[in-house]
Amino acid sequence: QKEVEQNSGPLSVPEGAIASLNCTYSDRGSQSFFWYRQYSGKSPELIMSIYSNGDKEDGRFTAQLNKASQYVSLLIRDSQPSDSATYLCAVPPSGGSQGNLIFGKGTKLSVKP
Amino acid sequence: NAGVMQNPRHLVRRRGQEARLRCSPMKGHSHVYWYRQLPEEGLKFMVYLQKENIIDESGMPKERFSAEFPKEGPSILRIQQVVRGDSAAYFCASSLTSGADTQYFGPGTRLTVL
Repeated sequence: QKEVEQNSGPLSVPEGAIASLNCTYSDRGSQSFFWYRQYSGKSPELIMSIYSNGDKEDGRFTAQLNKASQYVSLLIRDSQPSDSATYLCAVPPSGGSQGNLIFGKGTKLSVKP
Repeated sequence: NAGVMQNPRHLVRRRGQEARLRCSPMKGHSHVYWYRQLPEEGLKFMVYLQKENIIDESGMPKERFSAEFPKEGPSILRIQQVVRGDSAAYFCASSLTSGADTQYFGPGTRLTVL
């Protein structure tokens, strides 16, 4: 069974701090990795995708991928109260249609003013 | 609005009734995915469709659930003879190309079974 694991949290950080969210996946053949943000009662919203080892930066967000360790993370710099949400890591499995994204259960982030 | 559209946003059904959920993909997207999110649970893949074809239904319950994406019109997720355990948020996503392409989600339909 292919799995995506995340710490459920809640992760609490003060406003202005760096929030670090982690994700591990079991399918060594996976090539694409996605981070979504989901506010309570709302739908998932894409934050970033990453395909290659290393870092990818987009504004205050940085995704980090290490395929050897089967680990992907998301850093949020200068965290704001509006960043308080559940962050979902999603990985399409290798093989098959690859359209069936496997989601972690999400990490709930709380940014305190 | 060029985003993924879903309707209705909220749907209430009594046990044994049928639920029909609709999804129109983003403009230019021909790949549609359905996911279910049970209360306090993660998102679970149900089915992946392209126009007139089911590509992957590995996450679809074997009974009472069906999906289609006709040549014209929205994709439909149909749940027959609903039970209380079907109460959940159902999200549709679409992508431009197939496979591991980025999926963009609609606002969801929240189904409540009384």
